[in-house]
Amino acid sequence: EVQLVQSGGGLVQPGGSLRLSCTASGFIFSSHWMTWVRQAPGKGLEWLADISQDGSETAYVDSVQGRFTISRDNAKNSLFLQMNSLRAEDTAVYYCVDSSSGFFNYWGQGALVTVAS
Amino acid sequence: EIVMTQSPVTLSVSPGERATLSCTASQTFRSDLAWYQQKPGQAPRLLIYGASSRATGIPARFSGSGSGTEFTLTISSLQSEDFAVYYCQQHNSRPRTFGQGTKVEIK
Repeated sequence: EVQLVQSGGGLVQPGGSLRLSCTASGFIFSSHWMTWVRQAPGKGLEWLADISQDGSETAYVDSVQGRFTISRDNAKNSLFLQMNSLRAEDTAVYYCVDSSSGFFNYWGQGALVTVAS
Repeated sequence: EIVMTQSPVTLSVSPGERATLSCTASQTFRSDLAWYQQKPGQAPRLLIYGASSRATGIPARFSGSGSGTEFTLTISSLQSEDFAVYYCQQHNSRPRTFGQGTKVEIK
């Protein structure tokens, strides 16, 4: 069974940092592109970033470019999102997603990030 | 960036009836279009990819069609578990973009 188990959400002050983690099982993690998608409260879905199988290629949506960094550790079947300079508008549920063909087959359970003072 | 627009925003349907959801892209592409279902408090679930291919375990009452800029998700006979929000997403280019969603509610 494919599982993506997320950790690392929480409350952070504006301007602060947070790191999200996602541990995969049930598939060959090192063979898959991976993605982060977020959903602000009561809003729709937003693609944030993705990373190639070996981590050599990454892409970001403009709104997080330069503030967020996606990375992975294939030895630990883990995906990460380092979030810096957080803003109130970054408040959302963040999902780790398998994205090998550009669409999103398997989703993590989501991690709530709240940016507030 | 490809902008995806869904219509209607809300669709009121009686159980057993047919539901037709639309998704329009701001740029043309062949068939790189996915559909997701999301229920409150849950992660989205992939229904359709490549415009018309059903994901594993998705019932046959869900079907997708279209190409270019116009895409459609059809639910042939709505079951109680189908009342949810549906999103389309293009997987043709980056940034990957979603429509704003269509809420299918009980009439």
